[in-house]
Amino acid sequence: AQSVTQPDIHITVSEGASLELRCNYSYGATPYLFWYVQSPGQGLQLLLKYFSGDTLVQGIKGFEAEFKRSQSSFNLRKPSVHWSDAAEYFCAVGSQGNLIFGKGTKLSVKP
Amino acid sequence: DAGVIQSPRHEVTEMGQEVTLRCKPISGHDYLFWYRQTMMRGLELLIYFNNNVPIDDSGMPEDRFSAKMPNASFSTLKIQPSEPRDSAVYFCASSFVPDGEGYTFGSGTRLTVV
Repeated sequence: AQSVTQPDIHITVSEGASLELRCNYSYGATPYLFWYVQSPGQGLQLLLKYFSGDTLVQGIKGFEAEFKRSQSSFNLRKPSVHWSDAAEYFCAVGSQGNLIFGKGTKLSVKP
Repeated sequence: DAGVIQSPRHEVTEMGQEVTLRCKPISGHDYLFWYRQTMMRGLELLIYFNNNVPIDDSGMPEDRFSAKMPNASFSTLKIQPSEPRDSAVYFCASSFVPDGEGYTFGSGTRLTVV
């Protein structure tokens, strides 16, 4: 069965520090992969997506993610975190007509 | 475009009452999805529609839940009778294709059943 695992429930980083949020997936074919961000009280906003081709994809707000087929991973990165990046981040895999989401990683940013 | 519009934003109701959540998708999007978000279970797909036709309702928890899409610009999710365990945030999302482009989400309806 398809699944998405985000092993870190909560991460705290200092403003200006780099960030990497982990995502592993289980899927039988070449997946469509996504990262979404959810600010408190808001819906989910698409950060970036991977379908095929270049395994390093760029998204909005300075985020990027790298698809590694051998590791079944799609980790999200940002070189320098801003206080406004504090939110919850969801990894998702496209599967037969719907998206399967991970449980999310909550990001806190220290001044 | 105003995005996906959900109403109400918040709903508090008593156990046993009927609850109706509403969604207006983005114009031109052929797919509409209803998700439920809880702390324990995360985001769960309840049902999705393609061209107003329900395609997969296997995520609907039980017969108390029903969803309709009478036209391309409107969908409802109804719970009757409601129970405290239905308390959650319910999201509607729409897209052009089912899984190739990602979805546009509404702001959600926070439902509290007391």
